[in-house]
Amino acid sequence: LAKTTQPISMDSYEGQEVNITCSHNNIATNDYITWYQQFPSQGPRFIIQGYKTKVTNEVASLFIPADRKSSTLSLPRVSLSDTAVYYCLVGEAAGNKLTFGGGTRVLVKP
Amino acid sequence: DADVTQTPRNRITKTGKRIMLECSQTKGHDRMYWYRQDPGLGLRLIYYSFDVKDINKGEISDGYSVSRQAQAKFSLSLESAIPNQTALYFCATSDLQGQPQHFGDGTRLSIL
Repeated sequence: LAKTTQPISMDSYEGQEVNITCSHNNIATNDYITWYQQFPSQGPRFIIQGYKTKVTNEVASLFIPADRKSSTLSLPRVSLSDTAVYYCLVGEAAGNKLTFGGGTRVLVKP
Repeated sequence: DADVTQTPRNRITKTGKRIMLECSQTKGHDRMYWYRQDPGLGLRLIYYSFDVKDINKGEISDGYSVSRQAQAKFSLSLESAIPNQTALYFCATSDLQGQPQHFGDGTRLSIL
């Protein structure tokens, strides 16, 4: 089961790019990596998912190096409304072992 | 996600009481999950179900039980609640293996 580690918090300013790295040294070959965003009093909400290399959607990019022992969520040009907790999830494609990181609290300042 | 509804949203109870948390979904997903969230620990999987006849233990199932009454309903029970089960509980659903999960807005449970 992959142990998943993230920084506890980070601060940024409006308009900047925010990069959050998740470490998962024991990731298995078929494990997928998913990132979620959570606001207070709400459940986590899906942002992006990938297996390897780079994935991009309308809100974020996910970078996964060749060894897949880490992954980086990139949020371009953040706004105040991006202040939230971001979770990395490593999951087994062949089974259902799901390991969430402890979450990274991102504070976007004006 | 408004398609995943958890009840109650908040509950305060006493040690030793039996508690049931309910989850219903209108997404038509076969897979349903129960997690607990504690500060700094992220979400930890308690139980999951791939269909009505399937129940599986997760990472921290001790002290909990579940029932999958229908495709749309998945309930979590604490037979005899203890204070260290005080946490935020989330239900989630997904369509296929590996697909993103859709979460309810959680139940905040406090056990005195």
